Amino acid sequence: DSGVTQTPKHLITATGQRVTLRCSPRSGDLSVYWYQQSLDQGLQFLIQYYNGEERAKGNILERFSAQQFPDLHSELNLSSLELGDSALYFCASSPPGLEKLFFGSGTQLSVL
Amino acid sequence: AQKITQTQPGMFVQEKEAVTLDCTYDTSDPSYGLFWYKQPSSGEMIFLIYQGSYDQQNATEGRYSLNFQKARKSANLVISASQLGDSAMYFCAMTLSGSARQLTFGSGTQLTVLP
Repeated sequence: DSGVTQTPKHLITATGQRVTLRCSPRSGDLSVYWYQQSLDQGLQFLIQYYNGEERAKGNILERFSAQQFPDLHSELNLSSLELGDSALYFCASSPPGLEKLFFGSGTQLSVL
Repeated sequence: AQKITQTQPGMFVQEKEAVTLDCTYDTSDPSYGLFWYKQPSSGEMIFLIYQGSYDQQNATEGRYSLNFQKARKSANLVISASQLGDSAMYFCAMTLSGSARQLTFGSGTQLTVLP
Protein backbone atom coordinates (compact mmCIF):
# COMPACT_ATOMS: atom_id res chain seq x y z
CA ASP A 1 0.00 0.00 0.00
CA SER A 2 1.61 3.25 -1.18
CA GLY A 3 -0.52 5.45 1.05
CA VAL A 4 -1.97 7.34 -1.94
CA THR A 5 -5.72 6.85 -2.21
CA GLN A 6 -7.64 7.18 -5.44
CA THR A 7 -11.38 6.96 -5.92
CA PRO A 8 -13.24 5.55 -7.68
CA LYS A 9 -11.33 2.49 -8.85
CA HIS A 10 -13.50 2.12 -11.92
CA LEU A 11 -15.66 4.59 -13.80
CA ILE A 12 -17.84 3.89 -16.80
CA THR A 13 -19.46 6.79 -18.58
CA ALA A 14 -20.64 7.95 -21.98
CA THR A 15 -19.14 10.31 -24.53
CA GLY A 16 -19.82 13.96 -23.82
CA GLN A 17 -20.09 13.46 -20.08
CA ARG A 18 -18.01 14.95 -17.28
CA VAL A 19 -16.32 13.02 -14.46
CA THR A 20 -14.24 13.83 -11.40
CA LEU A 21 -11.40 11.67 -10.16
CA ARG A 22 -10.25 12.08 -6.59
CA CYS A 23 -6.85 11.61 -4.98
CA SER A 24 -5.61 11.82 -1.40
CA PRO A 25 -1.83 11.99 -1.16
CA ARG A 26 0.28 10.33 1.50
CA SER A 27 0.24 12.05 4.85
CA GLY A 28 2.77 14.89 4.80
CA ASP A 29 3.24 14.96 1.03
CA LEU A 30 2.52 18.39 -0.44
CA SER A 31 2.94 17.51 -4.12
CA VAL A 32 0.36 15.72 -6.20
CA TYR A 33 0.89 14.53 -9.75
CA TRP A 34 -1.58 13.19 -12.28
CA TYR A 35 -0.61 10.70 -14.96
CA GLN A 36 -2.56 9.05 -17.75
CA GLN A 37 -1.83 5.55 -19.00
CA SER A 38 -3.40 4.61 -22.32
CA LEU A 39 -2.66 1.88 -24.83
CA ASP A 40 -1.63 4.26 -27.60
CA GLN A 41 0.13 7.01 -25.60
CA GLY A 42 1.65 4.98 -22.78
CA LEU A 43 2.24 6.74 -19.46
CA GLN A 44 2.10 10.52 -19.67
CA PHE A 45 2.47 13.27 -17.10
CA LEU A 46 -0.57 15.51 -17.01
CA ILE A 47 -0.22 18.07 -14.23
CA GLN A 48 1.42 18.78 -10.87
CA TYR A 49 0.21 20.67 -7.83
CA TYR A 50 2.22 21.72 -4.84
CA ASN A 51 0.48 22.87 -1.68
CA GLY A 52 -2.55 24.04 -3.58
CA GLU A 53 -0.80 25.72 -6.47
CA GLU A 54 -0.28 24.46 -9.99
CA ARG A 55 3.41 23.82 -10.56
CA ALA A 56 3.71 22.21 -13.95
CA LYS A 57 1.66 21.09 -16.89
CA GLY A 58 2.37 18.23 -19.20
CA ASN A 59 0.24 16.78 -21.97
CA ILE A 60 -3.06 17.79 -20.45
CA LEU A 61 -5.98 18.55 -22.74
CA GLU A 62 -7.92 21.78 -22.35
CA ARG A 63 -11.00 19.68 -21.56
CA PHE A 64 -9.19 18.45 -18.47
CA SER A 65 -8.57 20.47 -15.32
CA ALA A 66 -7.36 19.80 -11.82
CA GLN A 67 -7.13 21.44 -8.45
CA GLN A 68 -5.63 20.78 -5.05
CA PHE A 69 -7.60 21.72 -1.98
CA PRO A 70 -6.41 23.10 1.38
CA ASP A 71 -6.50 19.59 2.89
CA LEU A 72 -4.14 18.61 0.01
CA HIS A 73 -6.46 16.21 -1.70
CA SER A 74 -6.72 16.72 -5.44
CA GLU A 75 -9.37 16.29 -8.09
CA LEU A 76 -8.97 15.77 -11.81
CA ASN A 77 -11.95 16.89 -13.84
CA LEU A 78 -12.47 15.47 -17.31
CA SER A 79 -15.20 17.00 -19.45
CA SER A 80 -16.71 16.47 -22.91
CA LEU A 81 -15.36 12.96 -22.73
CA GLU A 82 -14.33 11.16 -25.90
CA LEU A 83 -13.69 7.49 -26.55
CA GLY A 84 -9.97 8.21 -26.62
CA ASP A 85 -10.05 9.43 -23.03
CA SER A 86 -10.49 5.86 -21.86
CA ALA A 87 -7.39 5.17 -19.81
CA LEU A 88 -5.97 4.42 -16.41
CA TYR A 89 -5.48 7.66 -14.49
CA PHE A 90 -2.89 7.67 -11.75
CA CYS A 91 -2.32 10.10 -8.96
CA ALA A 92 1.06 10.20 -7.25
CA SER A 93 2.59 12.10 -4.39
CA SER A 94 6.14 12.71 -3.29
CA PRO A 95 7.74 13.61 0.01
CA PRO A 96 10.03 16.64 0.08
CA GLY A 97 13.68 15.80 -0.45
CA LEU A 98 13.07 12.24 -1.56
CA GLU A 99 13.55 11.15 -5.14
CA LYS A 100 10.59 8.85 -5.23
CA LEU A 101 7.04 9.06 -6.47
CA PHE A 102 4.37 7.03 -4.71
CA PHE A 103 1.52 6.06 -7.00
CA GLY A 104 -2.06 5.33 -6.14
CA SER A 105 -3.76 2.27 -7.56
CA GLY A 106 -5.38 4.31 -10.33
CA THR A 107 -8.84 5.00 -11.66
CA GLN A 108 -9.80 2.99 -14.74
CA LEU A 109 -11.99 5.22 -16.91
CA SER A 110 -14.04 3.67 -19.68
CA VAL A 111 -15.85 6.00 -22.05
CA LEU A 112 -18.52 4.22 -24.07
CA ALA B 1 13.24 17.01 -24.65
CA GLN B 2 14.14 13.85 -22.84
CA LYS B 3 13.35 10.40 -24.15
CA ILE B 4 13.37 6.90 -22.69
CA THR B 5 13.68 3.81 -24.88
CA GLN B 6 12.92 0.25 -23.83
CA THR B 7 13.56 -2.05 -26.77
CA GLN B 8 12.34 -5.32 -25.24
CA PRO B 9 8.54 -5.54 -25.39
CA GLY B 10 8.64 -8.94 -23.68
CA MET B 11 11.16 -11.06 -21.80
CA PHE B 12 11.10 -14.54 -20.34
CA VAL B 13 13.28 -15.78 -17.51
CA GLN B 14 13.48 -19.02 -15.58
CA GLU B 15 12.69 -18.85 -11.89
CA LYS B 16 15.79 -18.26 -9.73
CA GLU B 17 17.82 -16.91 -12.66
CA ALA B 18 18.92 -13.29 -13.12
CA VAL B 19 17.48 -11.08 -15.82
CA THR B 20 18.45 -7.71 -17.29
CA LEU B 21 15.88 -5.28 -18.62
CA ASP B 22 17.29 -2.68 -20.99
CA CYS B 23 16.73 1.06 -20.85
CA THR B 24 18.44 3.83 -22.76
CA TYR B 25 17.77 7.50 -22.33
CA ASP B 26 18.43 10.70 -24.17
CA THR B 27 18.88 14.11 -22.61
CA SER B 28 21.29 16.99 -22.91
CA ASP B 29 20.69 18.01 -19.31
CA PRO B 30 23.64 17.00 -17.07
CA SER B 31 21.41 16.56 -14.03
CA TYR B 32 18.70 13.94 -14.12
CA GLY B 33 17.22 11.02 -12.26
CA LEU B 34 16.44 7.54 -13.49
CA PHE B 35 13.75 5.28 -12.07
CA TRP B 36 12.35 1.82 -12.50
CA TYR B 37 8.75 1.00 -11.68
CA LYS B 38 6.92 -2.33 -11.65
CA GLN B 39 3.30 -2.66 -12.72
CA PRO B 40 1.74 -6.04 -11.91
CA SER B 41 -1.45 -7.17 -13.61
CA SER B 42 -3.43 -5.57 -10.78
CA GLY B 43 -2.38 -2.20 -12.20
CA GLU B 44 -0.62 -0.34 -9.42
CA MET B 45 2.77 1.29 -10.02
CA ILE B 46 5.43 0.14 -7.58
CA PHE B 47 8.70 2.05 -7.14
CA LEU B 48 11.74 -0.22 -7.42
CA ILE B 49 14.93 1.82 -7.64
CA TYR B 50 16.37 5.28 -8.27
CA GLN B 51 19.70 6.48 -9.71
CA GLY B 52 20.85 10.08 -9.81
CA SER B 53 23.06 11.23 -12.66
CA TYR B 54 25.79 12.29 -10.27
CA ASP B 55 25.69 9.16 -8.14
CA GLN B 56 29.07 7.45 -8.28
CA GLN B 57 27.84 3.99 -7.46
CA ASN B 58 25.13 1.90 -9.05
CA ALA B 59 21.94 1.85 -7.02
CA THR B 60 20.80 -1.36 -5.37
CA GLU B 61 17.56 -2.23 -3.57
CA GLY B 62 17.43 -5.84 -2.41
CA ARG B 63 17.27 -8.08 -5.49
CA TYR B 64 17.17 -5.05 -7.78
CA SER B 65 20.23 -3.24 -9.07
CA LEU B 66 20.59 -0.55 -11.67
CA ASN B 67 23.49 -0.89 -14.11
CA PHE B 68 24.15 2.77 -14.83
CA GLN B 69 26.47 3.47 -17.78
CA LYS B 70 26.47 7.22 -18.20
CA ALA B 71 28.59 7.38 -21.33
CA ARG B 72 26.29 4.93 -23.07
CA LYS B 73 23.21 6.61 -21.60
CA SER B 74 21.89 3.32 -20.37
CA ALA B 75 20.20 2.40 -17.10
CA ASN B 76 19.49 -1.30 -17.19
CA LEU B 77 17.60 -3.02 -14.39
CA VAL B 78 19.03 -6.28 -13.11
CA ILE B 79 16.77 -8.59 -11.12
CA SER B 80 18.63 -11.36 -9.36
CA ALA B 81 17.11 -14.71 -8.37
CA SER B 82 13.83 -14.13 -10.21
CA GLN B 83 10.61 -15.12 -8.49
CA LEU B 84 7.21 -15.93 -9.95
CA GLY B 85 5.90 -12.74 -8.35
CA ASP B 86 8.30 -10.72 -10.48
CA SER B 87 6.11 -11.33 -13.53
CA ALA B 88 4.89 -7.85 -14.41
CA MET B 89 5.39 -4.87 -16.69
CA TYR B 90 8.52 -2.88 -15.92
CA PHE B 91 8.89 0.78 -16.78
CA CYS B 92 12.03 2.86 -16.95
CA ALA B 93 11.53 6.58 -16.35
CA MET B 94 13.49 9.77 -15.91
CA THR B 95 13.19 13.26 -14.54
CA LEU B 96 15.26 16.34 -15.21
CA SER B 97 16.58 18.66 -12.55
CA GLY B 98 14.19 21.49 -11.87
CA SER B 99 11.24 19.48 -13.10
CA ALA B 100 10.54 17.95 -9.72
CA ARG B 101 9.27 14.46 -10.35
CA GLN B 102 7.58 14.84 -13.71
CA LEU B 103 8.48 11.45 -15.03
CA THR B 104 8.98 10.59 -18.67
CA PHE B 105 8.31 6.89 -19.09
CA GLY B 106 9.48 4.30 -21.56
CA SER B 107 7.07 1.93 -23.27
CA GLY B 108 7.73 -0.87 -20.80
CA THR B 109 8.94 -4.47 -20.84
CA GLN B 110 6.61 -7.34 -19.96
CA LEU B 111 8.59 -9.83 -17.88
CA THR B 112 7.34 -13.37 -17.47
CA VAL B 113 9.02 -15.65 -14.93
CA LEU B 114 8.71 -19.32 -15.80
CA PRO B 115 8.54 -22.04 -13.11
